[in-house]
Amino acid sequence: EVELVESGGGLVQPGGSLRLSCAASGFAFSTLWMSWVRQAPGKGLEWLANIKQDGSEKYYVDSVKGRFTIFRDNAKNSLYLEMNSLRAEDTAVYYCARYRPWQAFDYWGQGTLVTVSS
Amino acid sequence: QSALTQPPSASGSPGQSVTISCTGTSSDVGGYNYISWYQHHPGKAPKLMIYEVSKRPSGVPDRFSGSKSGNTASLTVSGLQAEDEADYHCSSYGGNNNLVFGGGTKLTVL
Repeated sequence: EVELVESGGGLVQPGGSLRLSCAASGFAFSTLWMSWVRQAPGKGLEWLANIKQDGSEKYYVDSVKGRFTIFRDNAKNSLYLEMNSLRAEDTAVYYCARYRPWQAFDYWGQGTLVTVSS
Repeated sequence: QSALTQPPSASGSPGQSVTISCTGTSSDVGGYNYISWYQHHPGKAPKLMIYEVSKRPSGVPDRFSGSKSGNTASLTVSGLQAEDEADYHCSSYGGNNNLVFGGGTKLTVL
């Protein structure tokens, strides 16, 4: 059974940093693109970043370019999101998801909440 | 890349059909057949319901169908059931390795 479990969320001050993790199981993690998506309170989903199987290609939404970094450790079946220079508007539930060639996310985790506030 | 436009809410009685729209531009919805729909019960993991405009992943009931005309995609839920009550989000490929979502629609089963 495919399982994605996010962790690392919490309360952080504006300007601070946080690293999110996503533990994957039940599938061949190293063979698939992976993604991060978030949902701010009362808002829709927002795609953040994709990473290729070997980490050689990464793509970001403009609003997080230069602040967030997606990376993975295939030996640990884990996906990460390093978040720096956090702003109040980054407050959201962050989801990791499998990203398929048909431009869709076919499995998602349950998310981890990040709150940016002083 | 601007978010796609969805109605904030939709509703229907059990057994009825309801259609949720998702409007973009020629740079996203109108330009690609990479439209997806997700069902999201609050507090749970979103679930892929439709991909490539009208394809259903294994296990998704055929009561769920998708279509597209011009810059607007649509999700139709037929034979509404109580468990269909959830938030529904559309997404589209926007070119240049970008994806864009809609604002989400809260579907209420009356």
